[in-house]
Amino acid sequence: GESVGLHLPTLSVQEGDNSIINCAYSNSASDYFIWYKQESGKGPQFIIDIRSNMDKRQGQRVTVLLNKTVKHLSLQIAATQPGDSAVYFCAENNNAGNMLTFGGGTRLMVKP
Amino acid sequence: EPEVTQTPSHQVTQMGQEVILRCVPISNHLYFYWYRQILGQKVEFLVSFYNNEISEKSEIFDDQFSVERPDGSNFTLKIRSTKLEDSAMYFCASSKDLRAQQYFGPGTRLTVT
Repeated sequence: GESVGLHLPTLSVQEGDNSIINCAYSNSASDYFIWYKQESGKGPQFIIDIRSNMDKRQGQRVTVLLNKTVKHLSLQIAATQPGDSAVYFCAENNNAGNMLTFGGGTRLMVKP
Repeated sequence: EPEVTQTPSHQVTQMGQEVILRCVPISNHLYFYWYRQILGQKVEFLVSFYNNEISEKSEIFDDQFSVERPDGSNFTLKIRSTKLEDSAMYFCASSKDLRAQQYFGPGTRLTVT
């Protein structure tokens, strides 16, 4: 499951700092959004989701914020750890619920 | 924790050959999906499957592709005549319900030479 690409945005943070990964979506009718983490050689792993009737949702060390006005989604990771190093994708679920449309991904690198 | 499994992990085939990628979804899930990821690109939806029929498919999923649930546990993706541009990671996913969390397998790397 490599997502190596010359044009993949990269976020580099110090261990222990907070990370914020952003995503813009295009379909104003989308009402369900998901963040996935993909480590090298693995499939996407669910992190957290949010539905459009909410603007914030918290999990363990992660928070997702949804701004429907500007069609923007963000993932905040608190106290980033080396194990958080991966590529992060946002995805939107269409109204029929069948398909996920993925964004381009952001590579998070955590410096010890 | 239950997980989606896929075999093989890596498949090398010659252009024009048929390949079958196999997946075992999570046992109590009812919705099944295939996605692919060309190296350096984002994950792309191919097809979704429910109640023994395709419920949605993308433009990528043309006549060369087919899916099947041959028994109660396996879910397969067949590419009838592979092309060089079919080289990618293919991910199977499953969910318990519509618009529920989709669980992804580890992927099969398909290399077409």
